[in-house]
Amino acid sequence: GESVGLHLPTLSVQEGDNSIINCAYSNSASDYFIWYKQESGKGPQFIIDIRSNMDKRQGQRVTVLLNKTVKHLSLQIAATQPGDSAVYFCAGDHSGGYQKVTFGTGTKLQVIP
Amino acid sequence: KAGVTQTPRYLIKTRGQQVTLSCSPISGHRSVSWYQQTPGQGLQFLFEYFSETQRNKGNFPGRFSGRQFSNSRSEMNVSTLELGDSALYLCASSLSEGNQPQHFGDGTRLSIL
Repeated sequence: GESVGLHLPTLSVQEGDNSIINCAYSNSASDYFIWYKQESGKGPQFIIDIRSNMDKRQGQRVTVLLNKTVKHLSLQIAATQPGDSAVYFCAGDHSGGYQKVTFGTGTKLQVIP
Repeated sequence: KAGVTQTPRYLIKTRGQQVTLSCSPISGHRSVSWYQQTPGQGLQFLFEYFSETQRNKGNFPGRFSGRQFSNSRSEMNVSTLELGDSALYLCASSLSEGNQPQHFGDGTRLSIL
């Protein structure tokens, strides 16, 4: 079955540095991946997504990289700011009309001022 | 426009009781999914509703049920509450069945005493 997990539970980064959060998945049928950010006391907030026909997608200060060969994706945050402190989840889905997205357990990003 | 609204935000119940949680999706969104979030298990998919019909279900016991109304609002019910049901219950909506990305509410924090 689908399994999406994260390599590191906590990541501490100096303000202004770049952050890289990693995620592995097991289901080769997954063709759509999403990164969510969850701040304390709030629900997950969509950051960026990528489909399996791409290997890179950029947003505002964020970039997602997808390596289908090793079933790995990463979220890169440029010039990390204190407001980026949160838990980040990757999620995998596959085309089929069913809302059965599988989430990883999350990585907590701590930004050191 | 207004985001996903979940009520109540906090709830305390005792073992054996039952509880009903409510979710109002973003206007125009017709698909509603429910998730359970705990520190140990992360985000676990409960079920998805579209057009008042349950479209998919996760691996939870029958004590967990839900429904969707004609205005797309959804409720989930948990009967015979157990201590292990203590969690943050998140609702997410999307435009249609299986559509991504989902937009999450801030959840209902359920505590079982």
